[in-house]
Amino acid sequence: GAGVSQSPSNKVTEKGKDVELRCDPISGHTALYWYRQSLGQGLEFLIYFQGNSAPDKSGLPSDRFSAERTGGSVSTLTIQRTQQEDSAVYLCASSLEWSGFHFAYEQYFGPGTRLTVT
Amino acid sequence: EDQVTQSPEALRLQEGESSSLNCSYTVSGLRGLFWYRQDPGKGPEFLFTLYSAGEEKEKERLKATLTKKESFLHITAPKPEDSATYLCAVQAEGGYNKLIFGAGTRLAVHP
Repeated sequence: GAGVSQSPSNKVTEKGKDVELRCDPISGHTALYWYRQSLGQGLEFLIYFQGNSAPDKSGLPSDRFSAERTGGSVSTLTIQRTQQEDSAVYLCASSLEWSGFHFAYEQYFGPGTRLTVT
Repeated sequence: EDQVTQSPEALRLQEGESSSLNCSYTVSGLRGLFWYRQDPGKGPEFLFTLYSAGEEKEKERLKATLTKKESFLHITAPKPEDSATYLCAVQAEGGYNKLIFGAGTRLAVHP
């Protein structure tokens, strides 16, 4: 079946501009996650959605970052007033929701959006 | 603080030369440990989930094992197509569902 899709695959923007990144999760996956992968750094968690709500936003680096999810499906990550340090690959993942009866569900990742801020 | 450390950072092998990658973790309570493979320019690809010490899982030339403090990814008779970055991640109890990743091991297998 179809995997996680993300768009655009590449985005070049000028410092100070706003950008929107989109994620379309695997059908039936109610849990959705955003991560960031910077050069020389590992994958870092940004935000977790359970359905349309975000119980864990602890990884968002500043209030310039926000995300929403609608219809329990597509999610958008918005970065306002981009800075050069925002340059990274932004990865989206989805999974079945942890029910407490299963130890942990694996997360499936999309191909990422490479963001370059000039 | 929950933490994952992978070693070595990079590993070069000759085709057929078996080796192991290490993932050490510190977590308040382990819900699951995950191994992923990442090729350049692509998102991580899921390989294995391990839940409890003593557990082992295999897939082709890869075998993952878990103890209370670390996990190993054993690669038997690797081929050039096994070249990739291998990522280890943990999911902690009480931490919703986020994964905490190590920095990865870059594996290069030469013919």
